[in-house]
Amino acid sequence: EAQVTQNPRYLITVTGKKLTVTCSQNMNHEYMSWYRQDPGLGLRQIYYSMNVEVTDKGDVPEGYKVSRKEKRNFPLILESPSPNQTSLYFCASSTFRANYGYTFGSGTRLTVV
Amino acid sequence: DQQVKQNSPSLSVQEGRISILNCDYTNSMFDYFLWYKKYPAEGPTFLISISSIKDKNEDGRFTVFLNKSAKHLSLHIVPSQPGDSAVYFCAASLRDMRFGAGTRLTVKP
Repeated sequence: EAQVTQNPRYLITVTGKKLTVTCSQNMNHEYMSWYRQDPGLGLRQIYYSMNVEVTDKGDVPEGYKVSRKEKRNFPLILESPSPNQTSLYFCASSTFRANYGYTFGSGTRLTVV
Repeated sequence: DQQVKQNSPSLSVQEGRISILNCDYTNSMFDYFLWYKKYPAEGPTFLISISSIKDKNEDGRFTVFLNKSAKHLSLHIVPSQPGDSAVYFCAASLRDMRFGAGTRLTVKP
């Protein structure tokens, strides 16, 4: 089944404790992206990647890191999480032409206390 | 800078009637516009798209209309069904994809 898999689905952590949210896709998509969803703000892009070793900042990159060492994986790293990073996170992938639409993962609900 | 705006946070319609969801954008360079549907505890799923060179695209009960001069697009669902109840996101793409804040549609039986 074609899918984007995110882990974990839920995570509660403490301020400053480094964490990684994994994202993997099995569709051989070139494009991958991370979004956060907050009430009233919709989906805001954190980082995206056009292909292996090519990443770029989205609208809200502060406090996040990403890497794209393999085509299928695009982990999101929070080096020192803070409470304002409490949010619902989605990973997405696509062929290069976004008119086909993104395939999203099921989401990771992160709470930083 | 919100380039894609959905000004109605919620919409409620009766089953069998038409649902119309609206979206405005500011960047005239967007080349594709898309609608996504999101159920609770799931990721958004792609619903329908339209190229900036077209003004209408239809897929079954779903039709998207694009008015480039007004920088406005809308999604029509006819007839609406209770299973259509979800949050709908409008999105616009150029190099990457920008999303609106979403509209929660409730279809009442």
